[in-house]
Amino acid sequence: ELKVEQNPLFLSMQEGKNYTIYCNYSTTSDRLYWYRQDPGKSLESLFVLLSNGAVKQEGRLMASLDTKARLSTLHITAAVHDLSATYFCAVEWGGSEKLVFGKGTKLTVNP
Amino acid sequence: EAEVAQSPRYKITEKSQAVAFWCDPISGHATLYWYRQILGQGPELLVQFQDESVVDDSQLPKDRFSAERLKGVDSTLKIQPAELGDSAMYLCASSLVDLSSYNEQFFGPGTRLTVL
Repeated sequence: ELKVEQNPLFLSMQEGKNYTIYCNYSTTSDRLYWYRQDPGKSLESLFVLLSNGAVKQEGRLMASLDTKARLSTLHITAAVHDLSATYFCAVEWGGSEKLVFGKGTKLTVNP
Repeated sequence: EAEVAQSPRYKITEKSQAVAFWCDPISGHATLYWYRQILGQGPELLVQFQDESVVDDSQLPKDRFSAERLKGVDSTLKIQPAELGDSAMYLCASSLVDLSSYNEQFFGPGTRLTVL
């Protein structure tokens, strides 16, 4: 059974600071997704990482994937308040298109 | 821009009543998913359809939950009878089958269910 762990689960940071969210998973997979969820809203796709060494960047967010270490990171650069949300990583399991989600990281960016 | 539609957006019901949720995927998307998201947790897959066929319903509590996608387009998820523990957000997602690429899932706005 695939397990996906995110840490930290809660993150409070000041505007302008940098931080990294980690996503570890327990079995082999080449496909990992990052989603953002605002309170009471649905999930918005941020990044799709499809191979070892993949790196994607959009604005202040950068995601990377190391399939050998079974680790993905979501790096936040110079955080702004608008980035406050819950971020989920999801790992595709066994080529079945089934996604297993982490518990999410609730990010709060304070002025 | 094409979106996944869900209704209702909110549903309040009493324990032991029946509830139903509807989902209309993005046009042309053959794969449809129903997820349950308990507050403070990540979404958990309940059922996956490929066209009108169930691909995976291993996490669907079949004693009270049922799902159908009769014509391979829109889908209904039913709970009968509802229990207090069913209070959650129910999310529908769809993806385009492309064997040469990945299958990014697009999520609808969800139905927030509260069972009293």
